Amino acid sequence: SQQGEEDPQALSIQEGENATMNCSYKTSINNLQWYRQNSGRGLVHLILIRSNEREKHSGRLRVTLDTSKKSSSLLITASRAADTASYFCAPRGNSGNTPLVFGKGTRLSVIA
Amino acid sequence: GAVVSQHPSRVICKSGTSVKIECRSLDFQATTMFWYRQFPKKSLMLMATSNEGSKATYEQGVEKDKFLINHASLTLSTLTVTSAHPEDSSFYICSARDGAASAFFGQGTRLTVV
Repeated sequence: SQQGEEDPQALSIQEGENATMNCSYKTSINNLQWYRQNSGRGLVHLILIRSNEREKHSGRLRVTLDTSKKSSSLLITASRAADTASYFCAPRGNSGNTPLVFGKGTRLSVIA
Repeated sequence: GAVVSQHPSRVICKSGTSVKIECRSLDFQATTMFWYRQFPKKSLMLMATSNEGSKATYEQGVEKDKFLINHASLTLSTLTVTSAHPEDSSFYICSARDGAASAFFGQGTRLTVV
């Protein structure tokens, strides 16, 4: 299984600002997924971007993927206090039903 | 998206007792489920892969006799922490995939062993 590495480990911004988190990985992928985890809760799937896609949007979320650099970024625009959470990326190769492996994540704090 | 339900959300047990955590896929069948453990402010650590109708596959360093996994049906996997000790206190999360590329997670179980 592949593991992504998120950067920065922690990010603190004011409400209304944009938040950018990055993910790097090491091997070729079929897709890459981003998840959010609120404190003491399970993970929520946010968005999936396939290896043949370069950018994807979902509401205030924008994900980019650069397979040549083996990196992805998650942008949250016009952040809200409710966006405060940890964010994880999960790169996936082509191997069937294998588990997702997570890095340390980015802890985002949005200050009202 | 698909729904994975985990129960209980919180449990406190005495040292030496066993605790069972359930993970259900509510609107899809999951031949494979995954169990994770998470320490405070740390990432999720994969413990084992639960396979319906067969033995679970444990990650290195995870004691299979300590963490019993049963996947008796296509919608239910259980994790039993046997003879629990305070060091087993942690946040346990299950995950399942509905056949698509995305994985869905339970709400997690906060286990406290006193």
